[in-house]
Amino acid sequence: DGGITQSPKYLFRKEGQNVTLSCEQNLNHDAMYWYRQDPGQGLRLIYYSQIVNDFQKGDIAEGYSVSREKKESFPLTVTSAQKNPTAFYLCASSIAPDSSYEQYFGPGTRLTVT
Amino acid sequence: GENVEQHPSTLSVQEGDSAVIKCTYSDSASNYFPWYKQELGKRPQLIIDIRSNVGEKKDQRIAVTLNKTAKHFSLHITETQPEDSAVYFCAAADYKLSFGAGTTVTVRA
Repeated sequence: DGGITQSPKYLFRKEGQNVTLSCEQNLNHDAMYWYRQDPGQGLRLIYYSQIVNDFQKGDIAEGYSVSREKKESFPLTVTSAQKNPTAFYLCASSIAPDSSYEQYFGPGTRLTVT
Repeated sequence: GENVEQHPSTLSVQEGDSAVIKCTYSDSASNYFPWYKQELGKRPQLIIDIRSNVGEKKDQRIAVTLNKTAKHFSLHITETQPEDSAVYFCAAADYKLSFGAGTTVTVRA
């Protein structure tokens, strides 16, 4: 393990509050990704970044925002506009900005919004 | 965009038997097909992958086959062991990775 970390492991927030999830990697990977995992569903792509200072929307970007100011960091903000934010969030990175390379996942953050 | 369907959603096998999980994809431009294993409460980890120029790949008890014409690929686990119990995800990549819904595999001792 190691290489890509997420914090915190569990996060609790009240409805209406924005919350930022941390993702850091020391693998010197160019590309980073955020996925959402819900029970009985696969991983769904929220945002991805192929290079510093650039990022693209994935399949379910509404209600989320990201930044990529440093190569090793890709924080995700879950805004109050996200209608159903309770989920398990996984960050991943890959060596090259190409989806045909292995993605390494972080341990995840379980967000609960009440 | 790419759509990946995975079957079955649950699979229970006797220890020592084989397990097979099948996936189909929609985008003929997809060229990379990884399989991830996720144990309970842990992160997904790559167990095997295959590229579109290869029809089959094996790694010890695990094998993956790809039929580009039919747009489907399968994971085969032989001589299953209790530690093979996990959720398995297939995925297909065109410009991004799209995942199947997952298969929960239970190996009965």
